[in-house]
Amino acid sequence: AIHLTQSPSSLSASVGDTVTITCRAGRDFNRALVWYQQKPGEAPKVLIHGASSLESGVPSRFSGSGSGTDFTLTISSLQPEDSATYYCQQFYSYPVTFGGGTKVEIK
Amino acid sequence: EVQLVESGGGLVQPGGSLRLSCAASGFSFSSYAMTWVRQAPGKGLDWVSTISGGADSTYLADSVKGRFTISRDNSKNTLFLQMNSLRADDTAVYYCARVNFPGWIDPWGQGTLLIVSS
Repeated sequence: AIHLTQSPSSLSASVGDTVTITCRAGRDFNRALVWYQQKPGEAPKVLIHGASSLESGVPSRFSGSGSGTDFTLTISSLQPEDSATYYCQQFYSYPVTFGGGTKVEIK
Repeated sequence: EVQLVESGGGLVQPGGSLRLSCAASGFSFSSYAMTWVRQAPGKGLDWVSTISGGADSTYLADSVKGRFTISRDNSKNTLFLQMNSLRADDTAVYYCARVNFPGWIDPWGQGTLLIVSS
């Protein structure tokens, strides 16, 4: 199984800050990576797929980058509605695996 | 509009069985693989199982192999998860979701809660 390690597990930032979340894989899986946002009591929502493709309707302050084993999700100009937990997921091979999540809190 | 509506969750005793259902609408159901992902209270996302559009391929997490079975009825646009020999650590919200080629999961249903407890 491809293990995904997300860091940090939580962070607190102010409105307007730029936030970076990292997802590191145990082995190379090209760019078969997705980023999700999950708010309390809600189902996850896709933000980025294919490591860097912004899902339709997602604000452009969200961006993804990386390849191989190291990937990042960047939120530029953090907004109050970005308070949520963010997960990475690989779809290169079964079993599908998720990172442990990063909880983003707004100061 | 794509809709996924899960049902069938509830309280079950350890060792018991339950079948979850997911009614899909708003898209060509048989053209998509479908998946179940669960989330234990306060925990992260945990992939459970995936089935291909034609039901010819299925994949299961090691933690549920031999206990859970995924299936689908394309004539009724419905996805199922048969869960047997349930354990306390199966307690979670179970989400049904569509798999978009080549593999990201979207959209997700609202989830159904399974509690395994005596």
